[in-house]
Amino acid sequence: KAGVTQTPRYLIKTRGQQVTLSCSPISGHRSVSWYQQTPGQGLQFLFEYFSETQRNKGNFPGRFSGRQFSNSRSEMNVSTLELGDSALYLCASSLIAGSETQYFGPGTRLLVL
Amino acid sequence: SQQGEEDPQALSIQEGENATMNCSYKTSINNLQWYRQNSGRGLVHLILIRSNEREKHSGRLRVTLDTSKKSSSLLITASRAADTASYFCATDGVTGANNLFFGTGTRLTVIP
Repeated sequence: KAGVTQTPRYLIKTRGQQVTLSCSPISGHRSVSWYQQTPGQGLQFLFEYFSETQRNKGNFPGRFSGRQFSNSRSEMNVSTLELGDSALYLCASSLIAGSETQYFGPGTRLLVL
Repeated sequence: SQQGEEDPQALSIQEGENATMNCSYKTSINNLQWYRQNSGRGLVHLILIRSNEREKHSGRLRVTLDTSKKSSSLLITASRAADTASYFCATDGVTGANNLFFGTGTRLTVIP
């Protein structure tokens, strides 16, 4: 099976812009979670989607949002970008909600100038 | 805030030596997992240990868990240059949810 894929892999934006990142889970996986990784804050949970519903959300401002489609693919959107949003954004999929093992994609590296 | 903290932050050893990394966490858990991350890439799941287990092995990996001390350790035996990576422990959050709380990570360098 193909692994989790994320597009784009690299992205450069300027402050104030918005960005949409995409994640395709492993075939058959229905749960998708998003994480942000920065040198200062480490790996932090953003949100989790299962069957097109957001099940859980981390402590991030409302500028961070996401959705999941009927084919389990997920997108996350960040509006009004700030310099501090520069990070590696990781997507993880699992077979069902509450699954213990998550399979991570390679990430999207976002640089905000 | 992050659930776990890892110690040491960085570790440099010679190929063939063993590497031990420690993780401490703050709240009760159902399970604890270890992940590896090669520079700037995605995370690879290594091993999961449940709260009612004390030790688990997988190939050259040995994980221990002490729930009374809220700590875990990862031992990599007979290290190889390819083991060079960052290692993170992760604990589960709300039961039934998929949010993992990651530690700060240990950067392991294995010198050939």
